[in-house]
Amino acid sequence: DGGITQSPKYLFRKEGQNVTLSCEQNLNHDAMYWYRQDPGQGLRLIYYSQIVNDFQKGDIAEGYSVSREKKESFPLTVTSAQKNPTAFYLCASSIADGGANVLTFGAGSRLTVL
Amino acid sequence: DAKTTQPNSMESNEEEPVHLPCNHSTISGTDYIHWYRQLPSQGPEYVIHGLTSNVNNRMASLAIAEDRKSSTLILHRATLRDAAVYYCILRDGSGGGSNYKLTFGKGTLLTVNP
Repeated sequence: DGGITQSPKYLFRKEGQNVTLSCEQNLNHDAMYWYRQDPGQGLRLIYYSQIVNDFQKGDIAEGYSVSREKKESFPLTVTSAQKNPTAFYLCASSIADGGANVLTFGAGSRLTVL
Repeated sequence: DAKTTQPNSMESNEEEPVHLPCNHSTISGTDYIHWYRQLPSQGPEYVIHGLTSNVNNRMASLAIAEDRKSSTLILHRATLRDAAVYYCILRDGSGGGSNYKLTFGKGTLLTVNP
């Protein structure tokens, strides 16, 4: 079955360390997204990518970096510059354009900074 | 700024219909109305979407007001498995970068009583 795989599901990090969250999709979708969710809050867009080798900042990109070298993969690095990285991170994908195109989400990665 | 407004929470009884409202008074003619839901500690999943006409699928129905400034997600017979946060979002169908910057507010937390 097609879908999005996020790993790891849980991740613990010490302050000052960079961590990379993996997101892989086999849906042949062009667009991919990273969202951050804090307890009791909605989803905030970190980065999105419309096509391979291109990505754009979302609303809260500071302290994060991404790459899009392959269509299937959109890893997110949480850098030491991110002041409050403890959160639930969600990756999503969609066919590139069109208001009718829906998002498919992964199961999420929960990052805790110790 | 959020483009949609939803009640923070709603409560229903099992086996009864549920009507979840969403206001989007600034909707443009090319905006599609999408609904997603998120179970605890999981990624959101697609529920339904529409542009102008009412829509039905196996999960729910979407009733869109004639002026499109509001919509209602209808769960015909709520079950305990429908307890989740429901998000109403707008997706621009005219293309371009704004199509990708999708904003999810806090949504409506639906509690289903047995």
